[in-house]
Amino acid sequence: DSGVTQTPKHLITATGQRVTLRCSPRSGDLSVYWYQQSLDQGLQFLIQYYNGEERAKGNILERFSAQQFPDLHSELNLSSLELGDSALYFCASSPLWDYRYEQYFGPGTRLTVT
Amino acid sequence: AQSVTQPDIHITVSEGASLELRCNYSYGATPYLFWYVQSPGQGLQLLLKYFSGDTLVQGIKGFEAEFKRSQSSFNLRKPSVHWSDAAEYFCAVMGGADGLTFGKGTHLIIQP
Repeated sequence: DSGVTQTPKHLITATGQRVTLRCSPRSGDLSVYWYQQSLDQGLQFLIQYYNGEERAKGNILERFSAQQFPDLHSELNLSSLELGDSALYFCASSPLWDYRYEQYFGPGTRLTVT
Repeated sequence: AQSVTQPDIHITVSEGASLELRCNYSYGATPYLFWYVQSPGQGLQLLLKYFSGDTLVQGIKGFEAEFKRSQSSFNLRKPSVHWSDAAEYFCAVMGGADGLTFGKGTHLIIQP
């Protein structure tokens, strides 16, 4: 158990809908990362937040957005969903913003868009 | 931009045999390199990392990796695999503000 929790574990929704994925980092970790894992794209970095502020952006679509709240939990919002958004979404946390600190991954949320 | 290539999609090894998983990276400066393991239904766990210094790094679960700048490689090794090592292995490179860039992964199958 990494100490990172993600809810829900599974999510099934229809195209065009909007969903919110939630992540609670390890106690004391200030940095949260979001990743998408799909069969065709592999594992891709989406976005990083550090202490409530956006720190780095990867291959995140404009239809996707994220935020980190004062209690340090984070939410990833996916809107206007398409079939291709079906994937496993991971959240990871680390103590500080520097990538050299180990990232601890949560178990992921499996999103299925039908 | 940085990139990572893991040439082997699948590798099958007999239990007790040695293992080497290949990773080649592309990055202009000195890279920060990582190996992660993903067991079925689980998130990723860091096995080891290289930032600088000794090019042979030791990790958890008996794994080690060697950084070879001349070959742009960071291959993962284990002298004797166990059935519990069956998993997906990802090599990753970190550079700049682009975050971690992962390879496509190598699926390790252990034969009894």
